[in-house]
Amino acid sequence: GAGVSQTPSNKVTEKGKYVELRCDPISGHTALYWYRQSLGQGPEFLIYFQGTGAADDSGLPNDRFFAVRPEGSVSTLKIQRTERGDSAVYLCASSLSGGVTDTQYFGPGTRLTVL
Amino acid sequence: AQTVTQSQPEMSVQEAETVTLSCTYDTSESDYYLFWYKQPPSRQMILVIRQEAYKQQNATENRFSVNFQKAAKSFSLKISDSQLGDAAMYFCAYRSKRTYKYIFGTGTRLKVLA
Repeated sequence: GAGVSQTPSNKVTEKGKYVELRCDPISGHTALYWYRQSLGQGPEFLIYFQGTGAADDSGLPNDRFFAVRPEGSVSTLKIQRTERGDSAVYLCASSLSGGVTDTQYFGPGTRLTVL
Repeated sequence: AQTVTQSQPEMSVQEAETVTLSCTYDTSESDYYLFWYKQPPSRQMILVIRQEAYKQQNATENRFSVNFQKAAKSFSLKISDSQLGDAAMYFCAYRSKRTYKYIFGTGTRLKVLA
């Protein structure tokens, strides 16, 4: 079946604007993760969903960042009042149930550039 | 807090040779998992190998194997018979059994020379 997909692949926006990044996980996967990967760094955990609920949002840097997964499949990461420091690749991953032995499958990421 | 450190920003290996990538981590927990992920230029991260902290035996997946030293908190990745397709960023990651959060290192860029 299809893997994890993310849209758009690239997003350029101006400082202060609002952006939405979308993640389509593998069908049937209940666990979904968002990560942020800055240049030269490893992925940094943002939020974890189990089904529709955010089980762990401890990685969200501030209240400008918000994520939803209303039907337990597609997820949207929302960033308000974007800042230049938000520029990064945003990665999404899904796994079957979130168990530690489940394999995380990553999407190709969305590269966000804030001018 | 747990941390993962990869001290080699870049490594090179000749095709068909063996290379070892280093990773150290810090945790006060006893039950956790460690992972190596590969990120090619396409950006799509792929799981290479996984090791449970409670298992003494080092994990192996074809040409990839780990040297897990729990007391030293060291988790290195050995790639045997290196191939051009192995060229990528490699990330070491940690996950406690108690949480869902993965913690990644800063990565090692592996170059494979023909």
